[in-house]
Amino acid sequence: GAVVSQHPSRVICKSGTSVKIECRSLDFQATTMFWYRQFPKQSLMLMATSNEGSKATYEQGVEKDKFLINHASLTLSTLTVTSAHPEDSSFYICSARVSTSGGREQYFGPGTRLTVT
Amino acid sequence: GENVEQHPSTLSVQEGDSAVIKCTYSDSASNYFPWYKQELGKGPQLIIDIRSNVGEKKDQRIAVTLNKTAKHFSLHITETQPEDSAVYFCAARSDSGYALNFGKGTSLLVTP
Repeated sequence: GAVVSQHPSRVICKSGTSVKIECRSLDFQATTMFWYRQFPKQSLMLMATSNEGSKATYEQGVEKDKFLINHASLTLSTLTVTSAHPEDSSFYICSARVSTSGGREQYFGPGTRLTVT
Repeated sequence: GENVEQHPSTLSVQEGDSAVIKCTYSDSASNYFPWYKQELGKGPQLIIDIRSNVGEKKDQRIAVTLNKTAKHFSLHITETQPEDSAVYFCAARSDSGYALNFGKGTSLLVTP
C-alpha cells in the first residue's frame, strides 16, 4: 500500500513551453500533497504544499505564477511549469500525506526528470 | 523554523559491517522523525519512522533511536549489504507543520 505515482517519469521540452506533471496517490486518499525539487547530489527542496480543494501554499522564493499547482481531488495533484527555461531543468518529486486520523506518514513518488532545451 | 543537521555526508562500510547516520533537530515541537532511502534517479522511499513517544524502533536490520532531550536521532543499519548503498535522508516534523524538514543526506556505500 501507500503508492504514489508520477507521470511522466522524464520529459524534454523546449524553452518557452509549458509542462504538466501529474502526481497520484494510488491506494489512499491524500488531502495534502507536496512538491519538491531536487538538484544533483542535494537534498529535497520544498516548493509548495497543496491541499485538496484550496490554493497551494508556496515556499519563499518559489514563483507561484511559474509553478502552477492544482489539487483537484483527493488522489491527484498537478504541477505545471509554465514558460520553462533551462534553469528549470531538475528532478521534481511529489509526495502525499496519508489522510487518516493521526496519520503522519508521507510517501514519495518516483520523480520526474525535466530537461528544458 | 526547524533546522535538521545530518552527519556524515558520506559513509563507506564493508559488507556485513554496521552503519550509523546521525541527525539533530532544533525545534522541540518536532515529534515525527522519518528516514528515507533514495536510490539514483528514484524518489525517496520511507524505510522507518519514529514518533516522540518512543525511544527506539526496529525493523529487521534497520533501527532508529531518538533522544528528545538532546534533540537527536540516529539510523542504524546492521549486517549491511551492497543493495543498502543509496542516499539516506532524515527528516523532522511537528504536528503543527505539514511539511517535512530534511537533512542534507548521507551517501552510503557498502563495498563487497
